Amino acid sequence: GENVEQHPSTLSVQEGDSAVIKCTYSDSASNYFPWYKQELGKRPQLIIDIRSNVGEKKDQRIAVTLNKTAKHFSLHITETQPEDSAVYFCAATLNDYKLSFGAGTTVTVRA
Amino acid sequence: ETGVTQTPRHLVMGMTNKKSLKCEQHLGHNAMYWYKQSAKKPLELMFVYSLEERVENNSVPSRFSPECPNSSHLFLHLHTLQPEDSALYLCASSQDSAGTQYFGPGTRLTVL
Repeated sequence: GENVEQHPSTLSVQEGDSAVIKCTYSDSASNYFPWYKQELGKRPQLIIDIRSNVGEKKDQRIAVTLNKTAKHFSLHITETQPEDSAVYFCAATLNDYKLSFGAGTTVTVRA
Repeated sequence: ETGVTQTPRHLVMGMTNKKSLKCEQHLGHNAMYWYKQSAKKPLELMFVYSLEERVENNSVPSRFSPECPNSSHLFLHLHTLQPEDSALYLCASSQDSAGTQYFGPGTRLTVL
């Protein structure tokens, strides 16, 4: 099955700086890579996703890049704000219903 | 926020109790999922139902028993649980096998 590794496990950044979270996956057939944000006590919410036919996708301050050759994808958050503080999960799937999640990154934005 | 709902939000039960978790989705999706979220661990997929048929059972102990009476409702029946089963249980739904999964708020389960 698919195995997803996520780094770092914790990330502290100064407000206004950028944050980068990296994930690697094992199955080269995986073709869909969503990112979820989970605030304390709340449900995971999709913030951005990318499919394997695209190398980069951007939505305002959030971007995701995918390197299929190296089997890794990354989340980039620019101009971080306190409300970006949360746990972020990457995931990968072969579109067979099974999403394999990374262990999560706890992001803290210091004011 | 109301697309996928779960009840109860919190549950405390003894090891000999029987209880059920309920999930309902109002998104017209065809697939529903149960996940277990424990501290410091990745989300673990437990069960997947597509058009009311179970398509995935991820080596989950038999003390967890899912039920999907229709495409909008999903239950997780619990009996003789262990303290290590204490976790946040999340329900999700998607349009199909390739669709984005949308999560419910979860049920925080504590087994004494």
